[in-house]
Amino acid sequence: QKEVEQNSGPLSVPEGAIASLNCTYSDRGSQSFFWYRQYSGKSPELIMFIYSNGDKEDGRFTAQLNKASQYVSLLIRDSQPSDSATYLCAVNSLGTALIFGKGTTLSVSS
Amino acid sequence: DVKVTQSSRYLVKRTGEKVFLECVQDMDHENMFWYRQDPGLGLRLIYFSYDVKMKEKGDIPEGYSVSREKKERFSLILESASTNQTSMYLCASSLGRGLAGELFFGEGSRLTVL
Repeated sequence: QKEVEQNSGPLSVPEGAIASLNCTYSDRGSQSFFWYRQYSGKSPELIMFIYSNGDKEDGRFTAQLNKASQYVSLLIRDSQPSDSATYLCAVNSLGTALIFGKGTTLSVSS
Repeated sequence: DVKVTQSSRYLVKRTGEKVFLECVQDMDHENMFWYRQDPGLGLRLIYFSYDVKMKEKGDIPEGYSVSREKKERFSLILESASTNQTSMYLCASSLGRGLAGELFFGEGSRLTVL
């Protein structure tokens, strides 16, 4: 059974701080890695995807991938109260559907 | 913008009823998916389809079936609803080859089975 693990949280950070969200996965053949944000009562929306080892930056968000350690993370710089949501890590291999972690709840206090 | 539309946002059904959840996407995506989302259990894949009339079981297919007669439409069927099928159901689609690629989600259908 392929698994994606995340700490459920809640992760609490003050406004302006860096929030670090982590995810591990069990399938070494995984090729695509996604971070989704889900506000309460809403559907997940894509924040970032990453395919290669290293960092990928998009505005205040940085995704980091380490395939050797089977680890992917999301950093949110200058966290805002509007970033308060559940963050879902999702992973897939060629020919398989996305497998989601259970999500980490982030709370940013002003 | 990609739009994935789920026909019903909220449904209340009785145990034993047959339930249809409809999903339509307007971006000519090959792949379509049905997930359910429950507190503490996250998103779990029920069924997916990578082509018309094709379907594959996900992690929790028991008690569900699906239909994909047209590329844009993917239906989830609960043949005989049970209380443990009370959940939020999310439909999604994607364009990528080999099922990879960004998933676009519908707004969800919250089903309550009494």
